[in-house]
Amino acid sequence: DTAVSQTPKYLVTQMGNDKSIKCEQNLGHDTMYWYKQDSKKFLKIMFSYNNKELIINETVPNRFSPKSPDKAHLNLHINSLELGDSAVYFCASSLRGFSEAFFGQGTRLTVV
Amino acid sequence: QKEVEQNSGPLSVPEGAIASLNCTYSDRGSQSFFWYRQYSGKSPELIMFIYSNGDKEDGRFTAQLNKASQYVSLLIRDSQPSDSATYLCAVIPGSSNTGKLIFGQGTTLQVKP
Repeated sequence: DTAVSQTPKYLVTQMGNDKSIKCEQNLGHDTMYWYKQDSKKFLKIMFSYNNKELIINETVPNRFSPKSPDKAHLNLHINSLELGDSAVYFCASSLRGFSEAFFGQGTRLTVV
Repeated sequence: QKEVEQNSGPLSVPEGAIASLNCTYSDRGSQSFFWYRQYSGKSPELIMFIYSNGDKEDGRFTAQLNKASQYVSLLIRDSQPSDSATYLCAVIPGSSNTGKLIFGQGTTLQVKP
């Protein structure tokens, strides 16, 4: 069983479109995250939810909106996609705020 | 100064040698330290975590933490070609109880047969 799963794995879309990425974890963790890995492979946090409550909201364009319907799911919706949004987006989860995080397989977003 | 710094490499070692990967961090209050391995096109995979000063061993991997020097390292003994990957050092800042990981830029390790 996959512990942290994301869909889709690949997403190719045109500028201006709106898209969503879904994430689910079956580890029973309380905290979930979205990270972005850019073309230089640098991994940076975007958002975090703890038990459906937003606890981290880094400096991210407000075109990006996370939603957590329950503590096992965290989705990311992106409006008006831009070329610069092309990256790999990783979902992750951890049991508590200071414990190790486990990552999903990533979603490679390409905006053309 | 970057919050978490790693030499991007590549670090090249022969098969069977010890690979030593280093990381420094700027937040003196940091409490949790992690090493992730990332193969090309794959997701980061947790290898080790360490919270206390000293060494922590797990199989061929040893993590070393020196909080006074703000330094954390990963040693890989008997390196194998399958260890060739990018190794990411990550730190949870001292002020954070949110689990926010600050990553270094990663060190690329090449193990040559």
